Amino acid sequence: GQNIDQPTEMTATEGAIVQINCTYQTSGFNGLFWYQQHAGEAPTFLSYNVLDGLEEKGRFSSFLSRSKGYSYLLLKELQMKDSASYLCAAVDSNYQLIWGAGTKLIIKP
Amino acid sequence: SQTIHQWPATLVQPVGSPLSLECTVEGTSNPNLYWYRQAAGRGLQLLFYSVGIGQISSEVPQNLSASRPQDRQFILSSKKLLLSDSGFYLCASEDTVRGARGGELFFGEGSRLTVL
Repeated sequence: GQNIDQPTEMTATEGAIVQINCTYQTSGFNGLFWYQQHAGEAPTFLSYNVLDGLEEKGRFSSFLSRSKGYSYLLLKELQMKDSASYLCAAVDSNYQLIWGAGTKLIIKP
Repeated sequence: SQTIHQWPATLVQPVGSPLSLECTVEGTSNPNLYWYRQAAGRGLQLLFYSVGIGQISSEVPQNLSASRPQDRQFILSSKKLLLSDSGFYLCASEDTVRGARGGELFFGEGSRLTVL
């Protein structure tokens, strides 16, 4: 079966760095997305990786290793507004999105 | 970029009552459209998707249905709600410029349904 695993919850301190991991098992692979979702709101797009390596976008970076079925989202200089759930989603061979349950990130002052 | 309008934002319905959630899209043409449900602490569950007017694919058998009467309008319905239908419903749109699914999704604001 197809599966996405990511931690349920993480806690970090304002100003620090946090890495949210995601492992995936899919039938084929056509890329991986990260979305941010604040409580009670819709998800918003953060990043897309299809090739191995690190993609940097401001304070956020996303890494992909296709051979390991692994991705991470790196958040630097954490701010209180970064408190949210972070959803990992892989695209399978049929171009369907397989979603993880999300990682709730709690930022403490 | 696209703008997705979804309504109503919140509704409380009795068991056995009908449901209609509506979604409209601006800023694109011929999008792929999706209805997702998100239960608390769970991932997004795909309910329906549509690649064109009148074309609906159902991912999960249930008492819900979807329709796409116009290119940028997507409706989620039920004739008789169950308690298990409670959840956060999200409409999403995807550009089809690349001609395939699996691209970036733009989400509506969501509709929180409570069935009592």
